[in-house]
Amino acid sequence: NAGVTQTPKFQVLKTGQSMTLQCAQDMNHNSMYWYRQDPGMGLRLIYYSASEGTTDKGEVPNGYNVSRLNKREFSLRLESAAPSQTSVYFCASRNPPQGSEQYFGPGTRLTVT
Amino acid sequence: AQSVTQLGSHVSVSEGALVLLRCNYSSSVPPYLFWYVQYPNQGLQLLLKYTSAATLVKGINGFEAEFKKSETSFHLTKPSAHMSDAAEYFCAVSDRLHNQGGKLIFGQGTELSVKP
Repeated sequence: NAGVTQTPKFQVLKTGQSMTLQCAQDMNHNSMYWYRQDPGMGLRLIYYSASEGTTDKGEVPNGYNVSRLNKREFSLRLESAAPSQTSVYFCASRNPPQGSEQYFGPGTRLTVT
Repeated sequence: AQSVTQLGSHVSVSEGALVLLRCNYSSSVPPYLFWYVQYPNQGLQLLLKYTSAATLVKGINGFEAEFKKSETSFHLTKPSAHMSDAAEYFCAVSDRLHNQGGKLIFGQGTELSVKP
């Protein structure tokens, strides 16, 4: 099992450009998440999908959109990148029950100039 | 709203010394609690979790944590630090009652350095 995979690993964008970060999991998990990690701020939830067909905003959704393409895949789109979106992005997944842990991908390091 | 605070953004210990990383949470009902570790340029890996069984939880790599309701704390300890323990550690909470989708709230992280 590959677990949670993310592409690309690194990306440099210019302000105003768009891009999609891809995430896939092979553990048959129901729930998937997108976080961003910034120094001194821990991980902050951008969007999540509790189950296939549903998506909800997290703590910092502005400037992002998501698509739960199927049970395996959950993508994050930046429509018009801004320097404030320079960050490391992590995808995660989990299954019920309550209290079960999330499994994380290796991350995508995004720089917006 | 729930929150979690990790005291100390950087902790430095000598190899063989006790490791103590502090985590306090704010919640009206004891939440689910997690410690994750992140090695450089990697994703997060679960160290241990507290759900509702024993208050002393043992995890991987010799780490353990004790849930103390009266102190709203879930501090992470390891009796003897190893060089390979150098990493960033995150405490996280998950609401036990009102949490569709199992969302996590993370602390700011503590970077652990181990001196030879």
